[in-house]
Amino acid sequence: KAGVTQTPRYLIKTRGQQVTLSCSPISGHRSVSWYQQTPGQGLQFLFEYFSETQRNKGNFPGRFSGRQFSNSRSEMNVSTLELGDSALYLCASSLSGGPQHFGDGTRLSIL
Amino acid sequence: QQQVKQSPQSLIVQKGGISIINCAYENTAFDYFPWYQQFPGKGPALLIAIRPDVSEKKEGRFTISFNKSAKQFSLHIMDSQPGDSATYFCAAQKAAGNKLTFGGGTRVLVKP
Repeated sequence: KAGVTQTPRYLIKTRGQQVTLSCSPISGHRSVSWYQQTPGQGLQFLFEYFSETQRNKGNFPGRFSGRQFSNSRSEMNVSTLELGDSALYLCASSLSGGPQHFGDGTRLSIL
Repeated sequence: QQQVKQSPQSLIVQKGGISIINCAYENTAFDYFPWYQQFPGKGPALLIAIRPDVSEKKEGRFTISFNKSAKQFSLHIMDSQPGDSATYFCAAQKAAGNKLTFGGGTRVLVKP
């Protein structure tokens, strides 16, 4: 069974730009969650989608948004990028109530 | 507000030794406690998990001990191997939703 797939693996952007990251969950998983990982703040929850609806949201500004499609694939968008947005963005999928399985992330660097 | 505190930040252990990582949580609404292992360039991989109705769970060389009254849980890695060198994260999750709250991580180095 294929794992969680995140694309692209690496991305370089400049301040003020916007970016879209993609996540394909494990087949059959309808819950997709996004996390930000930085050396200073560690792993922080961004939001969770289940059946195309946002079910949970973390403490991030409105510049961070996401969506989920009918095939459970999810995208995360960050607008007006700031230097502090440089991070590893991780996606995790799960069956409802089951353990979360992570992809290898997208490394976003802001210049 | 750090809801899950993890210690130590780093750990060096000899091959064959025992690695012990501790976590403490504050929110009694947490009811699922997984441990993740992360290698450089990779995402966290689920290692083992426990629920509060069990005081201990063992899978191979990995054991979770859980103390509900103290709101603490720990990971023991027995017979540590160089391949276990990685960063380990404890986490906690409430019954509703899939929001994981992570500890700060422990970098483990197993010396041959």
